[in-house]
Amino acid sequence: KAGVTQTPRYLIKTRGQQVTLSCSPISGHRSVSWYQQTPGQGLQFLFEYFSETQRNKGNFPGRFSGRQFSNSRSEMNVSTLELGDSALYLCASRQGDGNQPQHFGDGTRLSIL
Amino acid sequence: GEDVEQSLFLSVREGDSSVINCTYTDSSSTYLYWYKQEPGAGLQLLTYIFSNMDMKQDQRLTVLLNKKDKHLSLRIADTQTGDSAIYFCAEWGGATNKLIFGTGTLLAVQP
Repeated sequence: KAGVTQTPRYLIKTRGQQVTLSCSPISGHRSVSWYQQTPGQGLQFLFEYFSETQRNKGNFPGRFSGRQFSNSRSEMNVSTLELGDSALYLCASRQGDGNQPQHFGDGTRLSIL
Repeated sequence: GEDVEQSLFLSVREGDSSVINCTYTDSSSTYLYWYKQEPGAGLQLLTYIFSNMDMKQDQRLTVLLNKKDKHLSLRIADTQTGDSAIYFCAEWGGATNKLIFGTGTLLAVQP
């Protein structure tokens, strides 16, 4: 079974631009969560999607948004990029509801110049 | 609120046992997890334990949970150089329905 796939692996953008990151979950997994990892703040939860609906949200500004498609693939969008958005963005999938463990992709490394 | 704490660094010699500790605050946590992150990679799920268990063993890995003290530990037996990585403890926040991660412990294995 293929794992969680994130594309692209690396991205370089400039301030003010917007970016879209993609995540394909493990086949059969309906929940997708996004996390931001930085040296200063560690791993922080962005949001979770389940069956195309945002189920939970972290404490990030409205510039961070996401969506999930009917095939469970998810995208995350960040608009008006700031230098502080430079981070590793990780996607995780799990089978459904409840406490099933989350399985992570290798992330997208976003650098803002 | 929820908080998960870990020591930042642990150094061991190859062949020794490593013990990585974690404390958490959310008493309603149902599951607790250990993840491993190697340089340039995502998080690899190592093992997890349900909150009504005291111990779980999986090959070289042993997880101990003291629910009264909200203390979790991961013991790696016969530590190898390939075990060098950052290890994250995480709790499933019962009230918030999300994973709360610790700061991570960098394990350095000396040959």
